[in-house]
Amino acid sequence: EADIYQTPRYLVIGTGKKITLECSQTMGHDKMYWYQQDPGMELHLIHYSYGVNSTEKGDLSSESTVSRIRTEHFPLTLESARPSHTSQYLCATATSGGAGDTQYFGPGTRLTVL
Amino acid sequence: GQQLNQSPQSMFIQEGEDVSMNCTSSSIFNTWLWYKQDPGEGPVLLIALYKAGELTSNGRLTAQFGITRKDSFLNISASIPSDVGIYFCAGQLLGGADGLTFGKGTHLIIQP
Repeated sequence: EADIYQTPRYLVIGTGKKITLECSQTMGHDKMYWYQQDPGMELHLIHYSYGVNSTEKGDLSSESTVSRIRTEHFPLTLESARPSHTSQYLCATATSGGAGDTQYFGPGTRLTVL
Repeated sequence: GQQLNQSPQSMFIQEGEDVSMNCTSSSIFNTWLWYKQDPGEGPVLLIALYKAGELTSNGRLTAQFGITRKDSFLNISASIPSDVGIYFCAGQLLGGADGLTFGKGTHLIIQP
């Protein structure tokens, strides 16, 4: 079954720690995205990738970085976590082609930085 | 970036009532999508619309791609408690860069 996986689902960590949020997909999609969302609020695009070795920054400036070494994986890294990074992080994928940019979301990672 | 105006921001309704929400923009879109998000989860795609005037149903949900390409609506008939959540519209700009523009969401609350 094609799906999008995010790990961990919940993470509570102290200030200054390095963290990596994992996103993997079996959808076979070229495009992948990371969004940041505060509870009940709108989604903000922070990174996207159109394929292997392709990464771009989104509309919302973020101190995080991403990599796309394999089609299936799009990890997001924070070198030094701060309380201001507390939020929900959502990964999404989309296929290229006639269906446009129809995006499918993973379950999200809820990050709390103390 | 380009904004979508999604309304209403929140709705308090009785179980069994019909619900209607919409998104409008001053720009033209070639794709309209509607998502539902439950607390602590990622948005789930409900309906995708790809042609102006298209009317699509998914169970009790019906959505339409406005004929002007600048708006879309979502209707939910005979609401039930599990319809509670946040509904987001999203669109892809005609001739724009890849990627979606999201509305700010409609919070649906159902009173028993």
